[in-house]
Amino acid sequence: EVHLVESGGGLVQPGRSLRLSCTASGFTFGDYGMSWVRQAPGKGLEWVGFIRSKAYGGTTEYAASVKGRFTISRDDSKSIAYLQMNSLKTEDTAVYYCTRGDYYDSNGYYFLFDYWGQGTLVTVSS
Amino acid sequence: DVVMTQSPLSLPVTLGQPASISCRSSQSLVYRDGNTYLNWFQQRPGQSPRRLIYKVSNRDSGVPDRFSGSGSGTDFTLKISRLEAEDVGVYYCMQGSHWPLTFGGGTKVEIK
Repeated sequence: EVHLVESGGGLVQPGRSLRLSCTASGFTFGDYGMSWVRQAPGKGLEWVGFIRSKAYGGTTEYAASVKGRFTISRDDSKSIAYLQMNSLKTEDTAVYYCTRGDYYDSNGYYFLFDYWGQGTLVTVSS
Repeated sequence: DVVMTQSPLSLPVTLGQPASISCRSSQSLVYRDGNTYLNWFQQRPGQSPRRLIYKVSNRDSGVPDRFSGSGSGTDFTLKISRLEAEDVGVYYCMQGSHWPLTFGGGTKVEIK
């Protein structure tokens, strides 16, 4: 069974940094692109960023609102995706979810967002 | 960026009655491989999002068949044939055909 568990959230002051982790199980993590999505209190879903599988370069994509401040990385040996958040702003306050992004096999490409973690709350406040 | 516009914002529906949510994209969601990467999600109060529909009209495993997705190009619809109490929540469309990925603003479905 697929499981995604986010951790690392908490209260942080503006301008500081925080690193979130997404620990995966139940699938071959290295074969999948992974993504982060956030949800500010009482608001809708906002896509944050994406990391491709190593087979497709392990490259990343980011939303304009976080580009240059946030970095996604992965450790396939541990089945963990990371979200490094620097220069945090009050508007980054949100629940952060990780989700499976995409997958390729002999039959083609699969755009997923099929499994989500429970989320971890990040509060940026002085 | 592709803007995803959902309507209505709020949808009060009587139990047992149908519900329909519209999602329009600012540009075509047909990807270079010919597929259209449009997903629908349900988010019940206090829960993580759950994918219901992928590639416009494919229902996920375990999703009741009262949920259906349709559309093409820039115009998409999620329909619930007969609303049940467990369907209360916020529904989001999302496109995966263009970077950056974008979500619709959400439609809140509630019992009338």
